[in-house]
Amino acid sequence: TQLLEQSPQFLSIQEGENLTVYCNSSSVFSSLQWYRQEPGEGPVLLVTVVTGGEVKKLKRLTFQFGDARKDSSLHITAAQPGDTGLYLCAGVHSTGNQFYFGTGTSLTVIP
Amino acid sequence: GAVVSQHPSRVICKSGTSVKIECRSLDFQATTMFWYRQFPKKSLMLMATSNEGSKATYEQGVEKDKFLINHASLTLSTLTVTSAHPEDSSFYICSAMSDRGKPNEKLFFGSGTQLSVL
Repeated sequence: TQLLEQSPQFLSIQEGENLTVYCNSSSVFSSLQWYRQEPGEGPVLLVTVVTGGEVKKLKRLTFQFGDARKDSSLHITAAQPGDTGLYLCAGVHSTGNQFYFGTGTSLTVIP
Repeated sequence: GAVVSQHPSRVICKSGTSVKIECRSLDFQATTMFWYRQFPKKSLMLMATSNEGSKATYEQGVEKDKFLINHASLTLSTLTVTSAHPEDSSFYICSAMSDRGKPNEKLFFGSGTQLSVL
């Protein structure tokens, strides 16, 4: 079961452009995390957001957690080819023990 | 930082055989481990949640008799794919949770196992 829906599913942009990836759910999550994954490897944690409305920045990446803790967004400024990868949001459901991943966004940045 | 070791990284087996995948937390105790399955360019699908010393909780649609999970210690969980068939071919990833229930709760991932069933 995947409770977290990401959009867009696929994204191909030119180097230097900005982009936003969305992670939405009808359920409340105690925290949400964002990962980036390369083919054949495990996901690598980028950030964890725990407070509704929280905004975190990691260089050119800006993460936001929705006020109701049901959604999150990832904004990348001036994308670079090195940003190419599969981006995944994930979180622990507030009423359970399971750790779910979003449906994923495959990003390709063209030089 | 915390490290999770998963092996083998790649396994090729004949149809009908069983394959065991190990997931170890190297420098922390993980009371909870998760097993995921992933298809190319797709997200991770949670298969089961494994708690040390108790039976795993399987997600709907996952056959517990086919995907046997054992979490006998705080640092080791295993996934055994029994009587593997070509449709079981996939990338399997484990993860281990540290500081469960605390504000700094984190999830660390193994590097994955690519299973190919001929």
